[in-house]
This record gives sequence, structure tokens and C-alpha cells, in this order.
Amino acid sequence: DGGITQSPKYLFRKEGQNVTLSCEQNLNHDAMYWYRQDPGQGLRLIYYSQIVNDFQKGDIAEGYSVSREKKESFPLTVTSAQKNPTAFYLCASSPAPRGAGELFFGEGSRLTVL
Amino acid sequence: GNSVTQMEGPVTLSEEAFLTINCTYTATGYPSLFWYVQYPGEGLQLLLKATKADDKGSNKGFEATYRKETTSFHLEKGSVQVSDSAVYFCALKNSGAGSYQLTFGKGTKLSVIP
Repeated sequence: DGGITQSPKYLFRKEGQNVTLSCEQNLNHDAMYWYRQDPGQGLRLIYYSQIVNDFQKGDIAEGYSVSREKKESFPLTVTSAQKNPTAFYLCASSPAPRGAGELFFGEGSRLTVL
Repeated sequence: GNSVTQMEGPVTLSEEAFLTINCTYTATGYPSLFWYVQYPGEGLQLLLKATKADDKGSNKGFEATYRKETTSFHLEKGSVQVSDSAVYFCALKNSGAGSYQLTFGKGTKLSVIP
């Protein structure tokens, strides 16, 4: 079945460590996104990518980095510069970056900093 | 800029009660409007959408009508079930320049008790 796979589902990190969250899609979608979800704050956009080898910062990109070397993959690295990284991270994709189409979401990755 | 305002939760209803979750928006141009649902520990799933004024989106007994005159997209269901317990997000996406992301409301948590 087509869909978006995020891994790991749960991740624990010590302060000062970088961690990378995986996101893979087999929907043949051009655009991919990373959102952060915190209780009571909804979803906030971290980074998005409209095509391979191109990506743009979202509203809260500081302390995060991404790459888009393949169409189906959009990993997110949470660096030690991110001051409050404990959150639920959601990856999404859409067929085209513009237009009225909806986003399709993965199951999420929960990162906890110890 | 774009913004979405949802009624604050949590909302607690008895089974078979009528549900309304209010959503209003601010946007330039003619956005598409969405309702997403998030079950505990999972990602977001598209519940319904509407792409132009007066459109009605519907799915699984839920409905919402795109009201341009009141800039609203309220979610309704005539008879809720325990399985409807989840967090509901209203979102918009512009179709013109800069329409690369969804803008989300903060979410409304619904609990349905038997």
C-alpha cells in the first residue's frame, strides 16, 4: 500500500546530541514537509521541499536541518542547537507543492530529550 | 497572512449527541479548507475538504460547508460515537502564490462518553 513511513516512532536523546528522523514516501509525491506538534499549539512548519535537491525553511527552522537527495526521502535532523526539541514530529507529502490538494501524513515520531 | 481559529476544547459529549466545532479563517485569495482528525498517538488523516465557496465536504457522517461570507468552515455531525473521540484540526491552503503549506488551527479535542 502507498503511504508515508516515519521512523523511529519513539526516540530518546540526551542533551547535546543530534538525532535524525526518517521519512519515506512511496506515493510519488513531489512535495514533502516536516511539522512539529506541541500540546495546545497545533502544527508548525519546520521545513518543506518542493522538488529533489531543493528545500525551504518554514516558520520554526532554527535548530533543524533537512536534505532531499531522493524524491521519496526527506530526513529531518534535530541538532543540539534546538533549545526545546521534545515534541511530536510529523512528516507529510502532497502531489504538488501548489494548488488545492491536501497533505498526506505519516504516523509521527515522538522525540524526548532526557 | 493566513490564520485559522478553532473553538477551544476539550469538548465532551455523550454518545449520539450533536457535534459542532467552529472554525473561522483569515486568508488572501480563495483558499481550500480542510478538516483533519488525529487519533491518539497517530498522525493526521484527512476527514473532509472543500475547495470553493458553498461547497460542502462530507465523510463518515461529518459535514462542513465553506462559507465565504462568514469566512467559516464549521464541522458538524448529527450523532457522535465513542470512536469519534480524537483531536480535530481545521486547516486552509491557498491556491495561488506562496501556497506551499497548510495553515492549521490549534486543534479541538473531542471526548465522547458512552
